[in-house]
Amino acid sequence: GAVVSQHPSRVICKSGTSVKIECRSLDFQATTMFWYRQFPKKSLMLMATSNEGSKATYEQGVEKDKFLINHASLTLSTLTVTSAHPEDSSFYICSARAGGEATDTQYFGPGTRLTVL
Amino acid sequence: GQQVMQIPQYQHVQEGEDFTTYCNSSTTLSNIQWYKQRPGGHPVFLIQLVKSGEVKKQKRLTFQFGEAKKNSSLHITATQTTDVGTYFCASHASGGSYIPTFGRGTSLIVHP
Repeated sequence: GAVVSQHPSRVICKSGTSVKIECRSLDFQATTMFWYRQFPKKSLMLMATSNEGSKATYEQGVEKDKFLINHASLTLSTLTVTSAHPEDSSFYICSARAGGEATDTQYFGPGTRLTVL
Repeated sequence: GQQVMQIPQYQHVQEGEDFTTYCNSSTTLSNIQWYKQRPGGHPVFLIQLVKSGEVKKQKRLTFQFGEAKKNSSLHITATQTTDVGTYFCASHASGGSYIPTFGRGTSLIVHP
């Protein structure tokens, strides 16, 4: 199946610093990438949808200036958590979809566990 | 926005017992996808159902899509300890929404 990588897998940072998370589709071109946040034992909360070359669409309640998303190419999207605080600690997962149809499969990255001290 | 209700939230079974998780929506869905997330892991795509009344099988797993395309189920026959994890359904509403909505997931705990 298609492979999506995510880097780093784990990061610990001090409060106030910014953290960048990369999501790459390794063997296909991703028209759309999604960024999710998952709290322990909870479901995936969609944060934003990004399409290559255009601005990300953020879900209600997600601060776009706090969570900067850049979909620079068809194989790379980045999420930058700016001025991170302890409440931003979470498991961040990206997914990539090759096509633009709702029936196209999403492939998930392995996730990044962010801990803000 | 589109909401998918998934039940139960947790299910404890003895190894060898069957397990079923259900997803329900108040609106018609264009498709439904099922994922499995092992503890500490990320969601892994299992299957997608698109047609009304569709039934698909993967070994001990049986997936169904309701006739009205408003509900779906995942049934595991004779559970094994390797089935442990959280099973999520995800869907898109009919009418052009390409944004997936995930159910809250059902955590399956299998006791040996």
